[in-house]
Amino acid sequence: EVVMTQSPATLSVSPGERATLSCRASQTINNKLAWYQQKPGQSPSLLIYGASTRATGIPARFSGSGSGTEFTLTISSLQSEDFAVYYCQQYNNWPQITFGQGTRLEIK
Amino acid sequence: EVQLVQSGAEVKKPGESLKISCQGSGYTFPTFWIAWVRQMPGKGPELMGVIYPDDGDVKFSPSFQGQVSISADKSANTAYLQWSSLKASDTAIYYCARRGRASGLDVWGQGTSVIVSS
Repeated sequence: EVVMTQSPATLSVSPGERATLSCRASQTINNKLAWYQQKPGQSPSLLIYGASTRATGIPARFSGSGSGTEFTLTISSLQSEDFAVYYCQQYNNWPQITFGQGTRLEIK
Repeated sequence: EVQLVQSGAEVKKPGESLKISCQGSGYTFPTFWIAWVRQMPGKGPELMGVIYPDDGDVKFSPSFQGQVSISADKSANTAYLQWSSLKASDTAIYYCARRGRASGLDVWGQGTSVIVSS
């Protein structure tokens, strides 16, 4: 099983600032990486797939990067609606997909 | 609008059986994989298994093999997750999600809360 490790567990950032979230895979995943946002009481929603492609309707302030085993989600200028939990997920060997444990992005 | 609509919250006792559902609309339901995902309180999502409704092909994550059943009725555009004997540890929110053409899970149901308590 590919283990996904996210850091930090909690990130405190002020509105308007940049947030950088990290995700590490226990083995190479050929850029088969997605990021999801989950707000309290809601389902996860897809932000990024293929490590760097924004899903339909996702604002340009969200960007994904990385390769091999190290990946990053950057939110360039935080809006109030961006404070949520973010999960990375690998899908290199469908359907043996695995999620990270999440990063909680909170208002500083 | 493409959407997945799940059945309502359940409260059950240990040992009882349960079948929850996920109905798709706004797209060709049989030709997209549906994943069932468990999320325990305060934890990250976990894939339980997947089904391809068109031919009924089912695959399970090792942790869930033998613990649940997954099925689909393509004529009803509906997928199901079923337990024969619930345990307290099955208490969680269960989501269905569609695997998009680009392989992310691009459409999610609203979730079904399952509480198992004596």
